[in-house]
Amino acid sequence: DQQVKQNSPSLSVQEGRISILNCDYTNSMFDYFLWYKKYPAEGPTFLISISSIKDKNEDGRFTVFLNKSAKHLSLHIVPSQPGDSAVYFCAASEGAGKSTFGDGTTLTVKP
Amino acid sequence: GAGVSQSPRYKVAKRGQDVALRCDPISGHVSLFWYQQALGQGPEFLTYFQNEAQLDKSGLPSDRFFAERPEGSVSTLKIQRTQQEDSAVYLCASSYPSRDTPGYGYTFGSGTRLTVV
Repeated sequence: DQQVKQNSPSLSVQEGRISILNCDYTNSMFDYFLWYKKYPAEGPTFLISISSIKDKNEDGRFTVFLNKSAKHLSLHIVPSQPGDSAVYFCAASEGAGKSTFGDGTTLTVKP
Repeated sequence: GAGVSQSPRYKVAKRGQDVALRCDPISGHVSLFWYQQALGQGPEFLTYFQNEAQLDKSGLPSDRFFAERPEGSVSTLKIQRTQQEDSAVYLCASSYPSRDTPGYGYTFGSGTRLTVV
């Protein structure tokens, strides 16, 4: 049973527009959520995180929204740039230990 | 170094062979994690250390998998009698112990791609 799901394997957007990546989770004990970005042949890179006590966290062009009642989070990238093209992983943790990852969404930003 | 270093980058092992994968975490990161990533999937948790203590090994798939971090810095993931289903990318990550630390999140290495033939 997958506790973190990214239902869209891929997403394509035009440069300058908004990219919205979605993630759903089932474990109500998760209290910390993170997004990672991964280029081919590299390890994932931490992007942005949010604690369950918040519903929004913003860092430059990246904003993460958390809807605890729906067990849903999303990553907004505005404006999208071609260099944002990568695989994006959503992750969730309960306490300071392990994180549980989704299977990723491949974002393609077209010039 | 500035990042998490893993070696080797690639490893081809014959079925039944033992392998050892090394991870050098970022200096000062007391937490260290090992993940396994199959093609097209997200990383799957294997094990977690805080300093030299292995706090969680619930993700190790069998007793053929063993991890250690004897001095609280470098870690080794060992796989005995490798099998074809062990073929994957093995990722190491390190982090600060506290999620209150600004910018908290894993710093991953580039991984070791293991192919068992």
